[in-house]
Amino acid sequence: EADIYQTPRYLVIGTGKKITLECSQTMGHDKMYWYQQDPGMELHLIHYSYGVNSTEKGDLSSESTVSRIRTEHFPLTLESARPSHTSQYLCASSESGGDGYTFGSGTRLTVV
Amino acid sequence: QKEVEQNSGPLSVPEGAIASLNCTYSDRVSQSFFWYRQYSGKSPELIMSIYSNGDKEDGRFTAQLNKASQYVSLLIRDSQPSDSATYLCAVDDKIIFGKGTRLHILP
Repeated sequence: EADIYQTPRYLVIGTGKKITLECSQTMGHDKMYWYQQDPGMELHLIHYSYGVNSTEKGDLSSESTVSRIRTEHFPLTLESARPSHTSQYLCASSESGGDGYTFGSGTRLTVV
Repeated sequence: QKEVEQNSGPLSVPEGAIASLNCTYSDRVSQSFFWYRQYSGKSPELIMSIYSNGDKEDGRFTAQLNKASQYVSLLIRDSQPSDSATYLCAVDDKIIFGKGTRLHILP
């Protein structure tokens, strides 16, 4: 039973469109993260948040933005999608001082 | 820049044998270490965490940590075909993952 939810599961969208990938968790975790992962490749951190109204960029340069208005919700927005954004996007959360991350099922994005 | 290094594999191990996965890290002050398993096309799932030097056992899995040598390992005893996956080493809370080791258990 998933406690962290990502929608949509799959998305095919045209170049130039604005999209928002949703991520919600019901565990009350303070910390949330967005990763990008291409098939068979490593995870790249693109954004993270340690609490409401706190967001930071990760190691991977990204044209996306995030917001954290509520503890349980951490959406990621691409203002203008490009084919280079085609990838899997994984959301994760953890407690402060907690024992590792819980990952969502991911959103597989294809930009055509 | 913190770094986590893993052999990408693939590592092939006969069914029933012990699989040994290794990870080294660069930041001496790292405190927490995690192993995740990722099946193809799926999200990573946490299988082990370790914080103190020594061994930590959970079922068929044993995590080993040596802070002086800056390495952490994962042993899988009695390997099963269902253990075939990519294993990711992660260090500290801030999300530093290794590239992962692909493990293939040979029936």
